[in-house]
Amino acid sequence: GQQVMQIPQYQHVQEGEDFTTYCNSSTTLSNIQWYKQRPGGHPVFLIQLVKSGEVKKQKRLTFQFGEAKKNSSLHITATQTTDVGTYFCAGRGNSGYSTLTFGKGTMLLVSP
Amino acid sequence: NAGVTQTPKFQVLKTGQSMTLQCAQDMNHEYMSWYRQDPGMGLRLIHYSVGAGITDQGEVPNGYNVSRSTTEDFPLRLLSAAPSQTSVYFCASSRAGSYEQYFGPGTRLTVT
Repeated sequence: GQQVMQIPQYQHVQEGEDFTTYCNSSTTLSNIQWYKQRPGGHPVFLIQLVKSGEVKKQKRLTFQFGEAKKNSSLHITATQTTDVGTYFCAGRGNSGYSTLTFGKGTMLLVSP
Repeated sequence: NAGVTQTPKFQVLKTGQSMTLQCAQDMNHEYMSWYRQDPGMGLRLIHYSVGAGITDQGEVPNGYNVSRSTTEDFPLRLLSAAPSQTSVYFCASSRAGSYEQYFGPGTRLTVT
């Protein structure tokens, strides 16, 4: 079955440093989504990427979808303490109605 | 507009007991899903539904049953609880064709 690997599992940065999490799928994806989960909370949708090579920005967050549609990344510029949480990628396969397969997430801790 | 609601928030069961986790959404979404979240494991799909009367298995369906008699409700039944089912359970819904998932607040279940 489809597998989605996400690295790193955990990252601790100082406020103001940049942060990147990477996502790799074992199969070609139709689209990929990113979610953020604050400690004790539920996942919240951030963005969906659909096109090969797509790049989208949300303020300090930059999302990329690889040319082969098998990998993706989320980059945060100049982290803030409000960025603390776990970031998940979730890939959807190509066949018919395909369910989302979540990566295991990257936990981000930001020290002031 | 309450979004996705889940009850109860917390539950403790003894091994062998059965119970139903409730999930409801008021957004008229066609798709609904149940996930479990365990430390370091990300979100794993248990069951999902693409419409009333239609359900299918996800990655980890054993020990769980679902039904979808209305668009709004998607209960998850634990038939005979086991300690391995100790987890946080999230219900999610999405509009057909959109795929952005809205998650409920979760149910934290402990089986002793």
